[in-house]
Amino acid sequence: AQSVTQPDIHITVSEGASLELRCNYSYGATPYLFWYVQSPGQGLQLLLKYFSGDTLVQGIKGFEAEFKRSQSSFNLRKPSVHWSDAAEYFCAVGAGSNDYKLSFGAGTTVTVRA
Amino acid sequence: KAGVTQTPRYLIKTRGQQVTLSCSPISGHRSVSWYQQTPGQGLQFLFEYFSETQRNKGNFPGRFSGRQFSNSRSEMNVSTLELGDSALYLCASSLGDPSTDTQYFGPGTRLTVL
Repeated sequence: AQSVTQPDIHITVSEGASLELRCNYSYGATPYLFWYVQSPGQGLQLLLKYFSGDTLVQGIKGFEAEFKRSQSSFNLRKPSVHWSDAAEYFCAVGAGSNDYKLSFGAGTTVTVRA
Repeated sequence: KAGVTQTPRYLIKTRGQQVTLSCSPISGHRSVSWYQQTPGQGLQFLFEYFSETQRNKGNFPGRFSGRQFSNSRSEMNVSTLELGDSALYLCASSLGDPSTDTQYFGPGTRLTVL
């Protein structure tokens, strides 16, 4: 079964600084990988996803993620953080192959300080 | 296009009662997934429905059940409520396989069990 680990529970970053959120997955075949964001009191919104092709994926709100098969990682980055990026971020993995579910990591809470 | 809607948004129940939560997917989406979100366990997959058929189920007791109607609207039911069932219940819809397709999440139903 597939699984996801997000090693950082909480990250604090200054506005304008860069941000990197780590995600490691476990799955034997090529996974479908997703990053979702949850703002306080809201549901989740897709930032970006990857299955094949270019290993650097661009998403919404200026986010990008890089798939590294050798490291089983799919880290999320943003060059310059805005106060509105304060939220909880979830990495998720799907198996495809008629599995019909996503497995989510525990999430990373991002605090942005002025 | 209207997003995923969930009703009610908030519920307070007492132990032993039962509860029914409702989810209306985005028009045209036939897959509906349910997740339980708690601070300690994160996002846990409950079940997924497509065209009124349950295609996958998470590791939850039989007290948790669901169904999907011909118009793709879905309900989930929790019987004999326990304190530990207090959580945010999220519904998500997608066009096809949620392990590969983008899922669109509703705002959730906050269930408190006293």
